[in-house]
Amino acid sequence: GAGVSQSPRYKVAKRGQDVALRCDPISGHVSLFWYQQALGQGPEFLTYFQNEAQLDKSGLPSDRFFAERPEGSVSTLKIQRTQQEDSAVYLCASSYLRKTEYSNQPQHFGDGTRLSIL
Amino acid sequence: EDQVTQSPEALRLQEGESSSLNCSYTVSGLRGLFWYRQDPGKGPEFLFTLYSAGEEKEKERLKATLTKKESFLHITAPKPEDSATYLCAAYGQNFVFGPGTRLSVLP
Repeated sequence: GAGVSQSPRYKVAKRGQDVALRCDPISGHVSLFWYQQALGQGPEFLTYFQNEAQLDKSGLPSDRFFAERPEGSVSTLKIQRTQQEDSAVYLCASSYLRKTEYSNQPQHFGDGTRLSIL
Repeated sequence: EDQVTQSPEALRLQEGESSSLNCSYTVSGLRGLFWYRQDPGKGPEFLFTLYSAGEEKEKERLKATLTKKESFLHITAPKPEDSATYLCAAYGQNFVFGPGTRLSVLP
């Protein structure tokens, strides 16, 4: 498809389980971002990839959160030993340019994965 | 610390009733101010990018403006299909989003 695709759309897990969320960015897009969006709030930055390199992970809330993009296309966000406070929508966005080259290139967002921790 | 706030939190308008949404930002080295629209259960959809104070951009019933501390999204004669959450994001070191304004336009 032409847009950013995320799977699964919904994920329910028990506290303490590990989860993996997938993002397929738009083909050829260099930059990939992960965000966490709590109910009624704006997205909060988690991490940034330029191709396969994770250049910024300053927004990851704890060492239970791990992201990878091994071949510079598909990315996976993994959360280990999930906690109830991890419940949120996780959004992925991609952009054609590198972050430092931004001009009028917006980020293109997927529809997110809604994660619920019981 | 970079910060973005938006007001009002929620806004209800009658169809055709024009209004403005506010985005205030404190960002070191602003490289761009972005407006997005988000529908329930969907990801944000890009609307505008503004780069310098005094800049304006328009798209259909929407016009975005930028000052050194604020951005406004003006909605002229809104229609029910304009109902959504409108997010602004300031790009300095990273993208910092505001909490959004939930707009409801009643027929």
